Amino acid sequence: DVKVTQSSRYLVKRTGEKVFLECVQDMDHENMFWYRQDPGLGLRLIYFSYDVKMKEKGDIPEGYSVSREKKERFSLILESASTNQTSMYLCASTLQGADTQYFGPGTRLTVL
Amino acid sequence: DQQVKQNSPSLSVQEGRISILNCDYTNSMFDYFLWYKKYPAEGPTFLISISSIKDKNEDGRFTVFLNKSAKHLSLHIVPSQPGDSAVYFCAAFQGGSEKLVFGKGTKLTVNP
Repeated sequence: DVKVTQSSRYLVKRTGEKVFLECVQDMDHENMFWYRQDPGLGLRLIYFSYDVKMKEKGDIPEGYSVSREKKERFSLILESASTNQTSMYLCASTLQGADTQYFGPGTRLTVL
Repeated sequence: DQQVKQNSPSLSVQEGRISILNCDYTNSMFDYFLWYKKYPAEGPTFLISISSIKDKNEDGRFTVFLNKSAKHLSLHIVPSQPGDSAVYFCAAFQGGSEKLVFGKGTKLTVNP
């Protein structure tokens, strides 16, 4: 069974703080993704990575950066958190191509 | 521009009846389609998929139909159960791409 874990289920941060969201997958998947989910907007792709140290912007990369130093770990970084980044953040991975993505449980981030 | 559209934000059905969730797409290059189910405070889980070379795929109570000429797919759940209450996301994939394109989701409520 594929397992995708995210470092925190719930997180509360203050405006201007630097925030790190971590995602780890245990199935040697090539591709990893970060999404945010907001009511009425569905799942929006922030960044994805198809290999170690490789990254590509998704649909809404502004205000975010990512890091993939090891194959199993993909980090999402909010350089200076803002209230409009309050959201549910979902990490996913897949072996190759888009195929079936396996999602982590999500991190509910609140920025005050 | 939304390439995958779920025009009904919500759907309510009685237990035991059929639930039909609809999805339209605009990109004729999509060749693989998936449905994901998401409970609150959890990550989406893969439900069922269909390749563009097929027009139907069935898995237990869940059947997905694909009408390529209309660029339309639907998910049928028969019989619906209260545990099916969740948000359902339609997603599409184009061969050679690394990304899934998601719709905005339909919230299904199955009433006992």
